[in-house]
Amino acid sequence: GENVEQHPSTLSVQEGDSAVIKCTYSDSASNYFPWYKQELGKRPQLIIDIRSNVGEKKDQRIAVTLNKTAKHFSLHITETQPEDSAVYFCASDSNYQLIWGAGTKLIIKP
Amino acid sequence: SQTIHQWPATLVQPVGSPLSLECTVEGTSNPNLYWYRQAAGRGLQLLFYSVGIGQISSEVPQNLSASRPQDRQFILSSKKLLLSDSGFYLCAWSGGHEQYFGPGTRLTVT
Repeated sequence: GENVEQHPSTLSVQEGDSAVIKCTYSDSASNYFPWYKQELGKRPQLIIDIRSNVGEKKDQRIAVTLNKTAKHFSLHITETQPEDSAVYFCASDSNYQLIWGAGTKLIIKP
Repeated sequence: SQTIHQWPATLVQPVGSPLSLECTVEGTSNPNLYWYRQAAGRGLQLLFYSVGIGQISSEVPQNLSASRPQDRQFILSSKKLLLSDSGFYLCAWSGGHEQYFGPGTRLTVT
């Protein structure tokens, strides 16, 4: 079946530095790539998404890039802050579903 | 605006007991609905999804079942819970590509 690989599984960065999380998908028909943030004990929340007709999208300190040829997409967080600490999930669409990455635990060191 | 409700928020049930979790969506019609399970520290496992009343697709064969008796109501059930059914159960809705999650039910099977 279709799958999404997400790396790294854990990422520790100094407060103020940048963080990058990468995903690779397998379904060449995928056109929608969201990123979710899940704080401890809470529901996942959509933070940014990108569609296949766009190569990059920014929203303040977060950005997502997409390389459809290579089937890669990445989440970039600049000037990280303590409230960025969470688990981040990438996904790609496949029929009526989202295929999910395994998640990245982002730790922001003070 | 759309709102998604889940109840109960927490549940402790003995092995072999039945289960019924309910999810309702407000502010939209004919949504796609999803049930996910998340084990502690793990990713999102899709259990069921529905594109309309009475239409249920199962992603993982197990002792759980789902029903959609009304357009905006999705129910997850089990006749006999297993220890392995413990986890965080999340309902989600979608009107297009984006999925929005409910607050979740934390189930502990003892």
